[in-house]
Amino acid sequence: EVQVLESGGGLVQPGGSVRLSCAASGFTFSRYAMSWVRQAPGKGLEWVSAISGSGDRTYNADSVKGRFTVSRDNSQNTLYLQMNSLRAEDTAVYYCARGDVVEVTASVFDPWGQGTLVTVSS
Amino acid sequence: QSALTQPRSVSGSPGQSVTISCTGTSSDVGGYDYVSWYQQYPGKAPKLMISAVRHRPSGVPDRFSGSKSGNTASLTISGLQADDEADYYCCSYADSSTPVLFGGGTKLTVL
Repeated sequence: EVQVLESGGGLVQPGGSVRLSCAASGFTFSRYAMSWVRQAPGKGLEWVSAISGSGDRTYNADSVKGRFTVSRDNSQNTLYLQMNSLRAEDTAVYYCARGDVVEVTASVFDPWGQGTLVTVSS
Repeated sequence: QSALTQPRSVSGSPGQSVTISCTGTSSDVGGYDYVSWYQQYPGKAPKLMISAVRHRPSGVPDRFSGSKSGNTASLTISGLQADDEADYYCCSYADSSTPVLFGGGTKLTVL
C-alpha cells in the first residue's frame, strides 16, 4: 500500500525552528516528486514546497521563501521540511503528499498523509 | 499570487448534478492542463479526485468529471449522494514565483 506519514509537529515559539519528517512506503520513493501542503485552522489548502525525485530541484511558495527548506533522503525514503523563523501565521496542519514522476509542480498530489500540526505561539 | 477563485458553497439534492467552478488566469488554469481537484472531509486528509483537468484516478466513481474552458476549470458531480458532502479544492500549476496554487475551497451540501 502506498503511504506517507508525517511527524515532528508541535508547539514552537515565534522565531523558532522545527523540522518535519515524512516517511514514505509502498512505492519507489526516488522516482516521485514530493510536496508539502498546509492548512491553517478553519482555512483552505496552501501549497508550501516541492522537491524533485532526485532532490536536485526545489520550489517554495513566496510566503515561506528564505525561511523553509525542503529536502529528502532517498536512502531512507524520507522527506523533510526545515522550518525557521516561524511566525504565528505558519500555524497549520502540514501535509506531505506524493507528486508526479515527471513534473515537480504538476499539482498532482496522491496520496496525502494524515498531517502534523505545527502551532506557533508563545 | 492570489488563490484560484471558487464559490464558497454549492448545494444539491440527492440524484442531482452540481458543478463547482475554479477561475484563474492564462498564467495558471488557462495556460496549462495541470489542473486537479481534491475532496476533503472534516478533520481528514484531502483525496485526489481529478488530475490533468479530466483524468479520474482508479477508484474514483465516474460520477465525478472534470473539464476546462478558457481560464475556468470545472468539477461536475452527477447522481449526487449523501457522502459527496465535503469540501472540494481545485489546484493548478502557475507560471509565477509560487508555482502551485489552490482554490479557496467549496463546501458542497447535499440537501
